[in-house]
Amino acid sequence: IAGITQAPTSQILAAGRRMTLRCTQDMRHNAMYWYRQDLGLGLRLIHYSNTAGTTGKGEVPDGYSVSRANTDDFPLTLASAVPSQTSVYFCASSDDRGTTQYFGPGTRLLVL
Amino acid sequence: EDKVVQSPLSLVVHEGDTVTLNCSYEVTNFRSLLWYKQEKKAPTFLFMLTSSGIEKKSGRLSSILDKKELSSILNITATQTGDSAIYLCAVDRFQGGSEKLVFGKGTKLTVNP
Repeated sequence: IAGITQAPTSQILAAGRRMTLRCTQDMRHNAMYWYRQDLGLGLRLIHYSNTAGTTGKGEVPDGYSVSRANTDDFPLTLASAVPSQTSVYFCASSDDRGTTQYFGPGTRLLVL
Repeated sequence: EDKVVQSPLSLVVHEGDTVTLNCSYEVTNFRSLLWYKQEKKAPTFLFMLTSSGIEKKSGRLSSILDKKELSSILNITATQTGDSAIYLCAVDRFQGGSEKLVFGKGTKLTVNP
């Protein structure tokens, strides 16, 4: 693989269900991010990780959790999905210089 | 509160026109300003600007930062239908040992043939 991959591409989920969105990068970037993109609100940061083993909260962290067990993977978990979490989710990563964030292809999530 | 404001929110032009997209910001610990192009899926990187007054250019696209005015513009000359996209401006700020991007809501550009 080259760059950042996300899975699934899209998902329909019943409210109350647990869901993990996967993100993997092969660029050996230390920093990784999760954003959600909603019409009229733009991209908003959910959680981030500076390096493996550390995570931090972004602008809209409630209802989401992340883990960073290794450099490559940064899964985002919705413990009990709610309809307001319907969105497009983007994972991103950046190198140590922090110059540019590279985005994955996104996961489109619909919570009913 | 950090914020990034883009204008216009949407723009419809004809092929061959020149457009200017605007981005203004109010953030603490500014590091750089970035422009992204988003078509159907993920945003793709266009430019990163760190110094005032130095134009970055790539083909028909160019961008410049004005740190005094806390703003940036993205110019597209001789527009083509393939330029139709949402253009996102983001400001990179350093906080808590990590850089974080604050995004504007984007400008939706439609180029008609």
